[in-house]
Amino acid sequence: DVKVTQSSRYLVKRTGEKVFLECVQDMDHENMFWYRQDPGLGLRLIYFSYDVKMKEKGDIPEGYSVSREKKERFSLILESASTNQTSMYLCASSSSGGPYEQYFGPGTRLTVT
Amino acid sequence: KQEVTQIPAALSVPEGENLVLNCSFTDSAIYNLQWFRQDPGKGLTSLLLIQSSQREQTSGRLNASLDKSSGRSTLYIAASQPGDSATYLCAVVGTASKLTFGTGTRLQVTL
Repeated sequence: DVKVTQSSRYLVKRTGEKVFLECVQDMDHENMFWYRQDPGLGLRLIYFSYDVKMKEKGDIPEGYSVSREKKERFSLILESASTNQTSMYLCASSSSGGPYEQYFGPGTRLTVT
Repeated sequence: KQEVTQIPAALSVPEGENLVLNCSFTDSAIYNLQWFRQDPGKGLTSLLLIQSSQREQTSGRLNASLDKSSGRSTLYIAASQPGDSATYLCAVVGTASKLTFGTGTRLQVTL
């Protein structure tokens, strides 16, 4: 079975801190994704990556950056956390060949105070 | 821009009932459609994936159909159980293998 893990289930940070969210997948998938999920807004794509050292902006990239130095690991970085970045963050991965089924991690609930 | 709508937003049914969840999308140029389940505070679990060339997929008590030309998918749950209580999300894969999600249907199955 595909396994996607995220470094923390719950995280509390202060405004202005630099925050790293880590995601690791064990299925040699080329594609990796970061989403945030908010009540009433659903899941929105922040960034995605097709390969090592490659990244593409999603629908809401402002205030975030990403890093993919190894194929299995995709990191989301909040350069200077703000209270409006309090959210559930979900990582996913998929193969580059069809049918592009995405597999999700358990999520990180981030609270910025 | 692709838009995905799920109706109803919430549903409560007694145990044992068969039920249908609906998903509609505005752009029929999709690669596949995926149905997920999400328990409160948890990640998403993939239930079924229907490729654009397929009409339906089945897994146990779940059956998902796809009518690409009309922009619709349904998830049929047979003989519902309290353990089926969760939020169900549909998502379509468009260009660049990116998912566009609906806002979900929150299902409660009562004893």
